[in-house]
This record gives sequence, structure tokens and C-alpha cells, in this order.
Amino acid sequence: AQTVTQSQPEMSVQEAETVTLSCTYDTSENNYYLFWYKQPPSRQMILVIRQEAYKQQNATENRFSVNFQKAAKSFSLKISDSQLGDTAMYFCAFMKGYGNKLVFGAGTILRVKS
Amino acid sequence: KAGVTQTPRYLIKTRGQQVTLSCSPISGHRSVSWYQQTPGQGLQFLFEYFSETQRNKGNFPGRFSGRQFSNSRSEMNVSTLELGDSALYLCASRGGGWTDTQYFGPGTRLTVL
Repeated sequence: AQTVTQSQPEMSVQEAETVTLSCTYDTSENNYYLFWYKQPPSRQMILVIRQEAYKQQNATENRFSVNFQKAAKSFSLKISDSQLGDTAMYFCAFMKGYGNKLVFGAGTILRVKS
Repeated sequence: KAGVTQTPRYLIKTRGQQVTLSCSPISGHRSVSWYQQTPGQGLQFLFEYFSETQRNKGNFPGRFSGRQFSNSRSEMNVSTLELGDSALYLCASRGGGWTDTQYFGPGTRLTVL
């Protein structure tokens, strides 16, 4: 069975600064996908970024980028130029290839301060 | 395109009752998955439906069931409610391909008294 670990329950960052959220996972699969979702106070789960395990290039989406280290089974999220609207719970999630369920970590609460 | 919609948004029930939650996927999406979110257990997969068939099921008791209609809308039902069933129930849809990303609805907050 796959497991996802987020070791930082809470983090805070000043507006305009950069912050990195950590995620490690455990799997014996070679084909899989990794995701970061954010859940703001509205509780709507929003996709932030997705990474295919077979791709060596790290995914980026505007101010969001990942550092995917397949051998180390690490998948961190970097948020640049943090904005107040980035305040949310961030979940790291795993899905195996040809799979249909997401396995989530416990989440990291990120607070952006002005 | 409109996003995933879930109804109702909030629900209060008492122990022993049953409840039905509804999810309408993004237009064109054929797969619907359900997740339960609680403070203690986090986010847990309930089941996934594709083309009216259950493709996968999580580790939940038989009181939790679901179905999908020909228009891809899905319902989940919980019978004989227990206090521990209080949770945010999230529905996610995707195209149906194995590589497709899941997009979530706003959730239904169920409170069991």
C-alpha cells in the first residue's frame, strides 16, 4: 500500500517571500502521479500542480513549482512570491498509474502574513 | 465549463437515519470518485464509479454505498448513520482515462447528532 507523509503540520511565510512544503511517499510502483492540492477556508479542493513520475523535468505552474526526487521519493512544493490568497491547507497526493484513487498526506496548513 | 457540483452543501441528521448525497461531474467527465474528510482520519477514498460501474472501493463498511446514472451524475448513500460519519464528503470527477486528473466539488458537510 502507498503512504504519503507531510512532516510539517503548519508553516507561515511573509507576503512576497518563498516557502517550500515537504512531502515524501512510499511505493513500490514505477508508474505513478503526484499532486499538490490546496484547500482554502472555503474547503474547496483546488489542484495546484501535477507531476508524472516518468518525467524527469519538474512541473511548474506560474508561482508554483515542485522538486521531484524519484529515488528519494520526495516531492516538495515551492511557492514563490507568496500572496495572502495562498493561505490554505496544502495536501500532497499520490495516484498509481492505471489507478483511480488518490492517497493523501495529512496536510500542511500554510499561513501567509502581511 | 461548469465545475463539479454537490448537493446539498450542508446536512444535519440524527443517528440511525440514512442520507443521500449527490454529485454532478464536469460536463464530459465519466468518472466520479468520493472521499471522506475528517479531522482524525484525514482524506480517505470511498469509491469510484465509471460508466455506471463501481471500479474501486475503499475500506468502508457496507453502510456506505453509491451509484452512478447514465448521465454520469452520482449519488452516495449512508445508512444507519453513526456519530463518526460526521465529515466533509468530497466528490471528484475526471474524464475517465487512467491519466486524467481529478477535479473536486465544494463538498457536502454532514453532521450527525
